[in-house]
Amino acid sequence: QSALTQPASVSGSPGQSITISCTGTSSDIGIYNLVSWYQQHPDKAPKLMIYEVNKWPSGVSNRFSGSKSGNTASLTISGLQAEDEAEYYCCSYAGSSTLVFGGGTKLTVL
Amino acid sequence: QLQLQESGPGLVKPSETLSLTCAVSGGSISSSTYYWGWIRQPPGKGLEWIGTIFYSGSTYYSPSLKSRVTISVDTSKNQFSLKLSSVTAADTAVYYCFRDMRGYGTFDYWGQGTLVTVSS
Repeated sequence: QSALTQPASVSGSPGQSITISCTGTSSDIGIYNLVSWYQQHPDKAPKLMIYEVNKWPSGVSNRFSGSKSGNTASLTISGLQAEDEAEYYCCSYAGSSTLVFGGGTKLTVL
Repeated sequence: QLQLQESGPGLVKPSETLSLTCAVSGGSISSSTYYWGWIRQPPGKGLEWIGTIFYSGSTYYSPSLKSRVTISVDTSKNQFSLKLSSVTAADTAVYYCFRDMRGYGTFDYWGQGTLVTVSS
């Protein structure tokens, strides 16, 4: 069970859109539509932003959207805002009642 | 509003057992809908899932930690606990408790986190 692969960093200007990828394998992302995304600001607990690939929890802005193709899931943030600057983590069900996280992506709003 | 609060020693000696408790308020841990568990984050590093428990006592652990981890639930106190044995410096991390609303990594409520340092 290996960690999912995310880019270490991405950046964008206010108002732009960015996409963060999360690559797994045919044993996790590729076979299950059970990918979630978390936003974490410094010294804070993570916050659920997307679950089951593309569903929004209550209270989360629809500027955040999720998708999946093959073994790769993606988080897109549109209309980038300063408060979106944070670390983002993907997580996938990996079978046999186990879960795996990505290594995290630092989003910088320029 | 559901709240989760971790508690336990902030310093543990190498080779000893790390013990943490997560108290749940504003909701019942005995709900048949939700799962509960622990995630950790070493300083400056990413998130690592440790394990999950259902109110009935069914547990699911990370394969890499399974031999050292025990998660238990106390429905009478509305809390659940983590024990990690034979700790080393590599177990130094912020430990978060969570509620999983689907049981598949949908962590919708988190505790604030508690830093546990392993050092002699």
